[in-house]
Amino acid sequence: GAVVSQHPSRVICKSGTSVKIECRSLDFQATTMFWYRQFPKKSLMLMATSNEGSKATYEQGVEKDKFLINHASLTLSTLTVTSAHPEDSSFYICSARVSGRDYEQYFGPGTRLTVT
Amino acid sequence: KNEVEQSPQNLTAQEGEFITINCSYSVGISALHWLQQHPGGGIVSLFMLSSGKKKHGRLIATINIQEKHSSLHITASHPRDSAVYICAVIYNTDKLIFGTGTRLQVFP
Repeated sequence: GAVVSQHPSRVICKSGTSVKIECRSLDFQATTMFWYRQFPKKSLMLMATSNEGSKATYEQGVEKDKFLINHASLTLSTLTVTSAHPEDSSFYICSARVSGRDYEQYFGPGTRLTVT
Repeated sequence: KNEVEQSPQNLTAQEGEFITINCSYSVGISALHWLQQHPGGGIVSLFMLSSGKKKHGRLIATINIQEKHSSLHITASHPRDSAVYICAVIYNTDKLIFGTGTRLQVFP
C-alpha cells in the first residue's frame, strides 16, 4: 500500500532555532501534500496545502514566514519551523494525495516537536 | 459549513465484541475517510469511501450518501484495536474536515 514517511519522528530544539521536518511519499507521486498540527487530545488542524513547484497555500491564522513549506519534488515536502518557541511544541503530521486520484490521501506517522 | 460529528466519543469493549462507530456530516461530500490513530500519534488510513461498503479484514465501513452517515464496524475486536478512530470528509475542496474522533479501548 501507499506509504508516507516523516523525518524526524521526534525532535527537541532550543527556542530561537529552526527545525525542518520532511514528508516523503515512498511509492507514489504526490502533487499535493498537506501539513497538519495536532494539539493533545484534539483533532488535526490543517496548516497549509503544499503543491509541487508552487507556493504553499496557508490556512487563516497560520504564519507563512514562521512555517516555511517547500515542495520541491513529487515525493518530498518540507516544513521548517523558524525561530521556534515553546508554543510551537506540537505533533505535526503530513498527508500526501496520490497524483491523479482525487480524494485519496495517505498520512505520515507524524513528528513530535518539543521546543525548550 | 460542514460539520462532522462522531459518536460515541469514548467506547470501551471486551475482546471479541462487535463495535460500531458512527459519523454524520451536514452537507454533500465527495468522499469520506476513516482513519486510525494509535497512542504515540501515527495515523493510518483505513478506508476511503464515496458510496456503498468496503471491507478489509475485520473492519467494515459503510456510507449512506442520502442520510449523510457512515459507520465503521470492527468484528471480533481485539486489544490491539484500541486507538482513536477519526472520520474525515472532503466536500467541495480537497481539504479534509475531521471529526472529533472516537477513543476505543478493548479489554482482554
